[in-house]
Amino acid sequence: NAGVTQTPKFQVLKTGQSMTLQCAQDMNHNSMYWYRQDPGMGLRLIYYSASEGTTDKGEVPNGYNVSRLNKREFSLRLESAAPSQTSVYFCASRANRGNTEAFFGQGTRLTVV
Amino acid sequence: DQQVKQNSPSLSVQEGRISILNCDYTNSMFDYFLWYKKYPAEGPTFLISISSIKDKNEDGRFTVFLNKSAKHLSLHIVPSQPGDSAVYFCAASDRGSTLGRLYFGRGTQLTVWP
Repeated sequence: NAGVTQTPKFQVLKTGQSMTLQCAQDMNHNSMYWYRQDPGMGLRLIYYSASEGTTDKGEVPNGYNVSRLNKREFSLRLESAAPSQTSVYFCASRANRGNTEAFFGQGTRLTVV
Repeated sequence: DQQVKQNSPSLSVQEGRISILNCDYTNSMFDYFLWYKKYPAEGPTFLISISSIKDKNEDGRFTVFLNKSAKHLSLHIVPSQPGDSAVYFCAASDRGSTLGRLYFGRGTQLTVWP
């Protein structure tokens, strides 16, 4: 009963380095999301994907790319990390249809130095 | 432009008393509303929801009230317990959208003290 699994849990990057945050869900959900959480800013949507093969920008997409590899997996890539991307990142998934809740992963705490 | 607003960043309540967390929204197309609870170093977890066809939904100690004309909802916790101390996020979605996007408020830190 894994739900939404994110890796890694913690990461420290140097400015300019790249990395990919991985997310997988086992609930057969169509929609998947990447959020970042910063103090006083709540949960801000970076990118989302309503179905396999489609992605859309959220509120704060600059500096990020995403890939919906298949229905289960949705990855977030930082091509050239900046200190402003220091944050906690959450992946979530949700069924598209009907009144349903989204399920979140445990988060990735990323520090860019 | 925030479509879901939680104007109180923090709330402090004594154990046993009622906690009332508030949320306002601006988009009249929103028809499904959710509350999430988040402990430090964990992901948000779903708490309770309400559809726009209702004005109240109850689950144990938690009740959500919806006032559509005022575009306002509130979460009541009675009685409050120290384990309820967490950040609470309000969220909303537009059922007519097939994208399934949720819009979140900035959260309210609830502290329940003994």
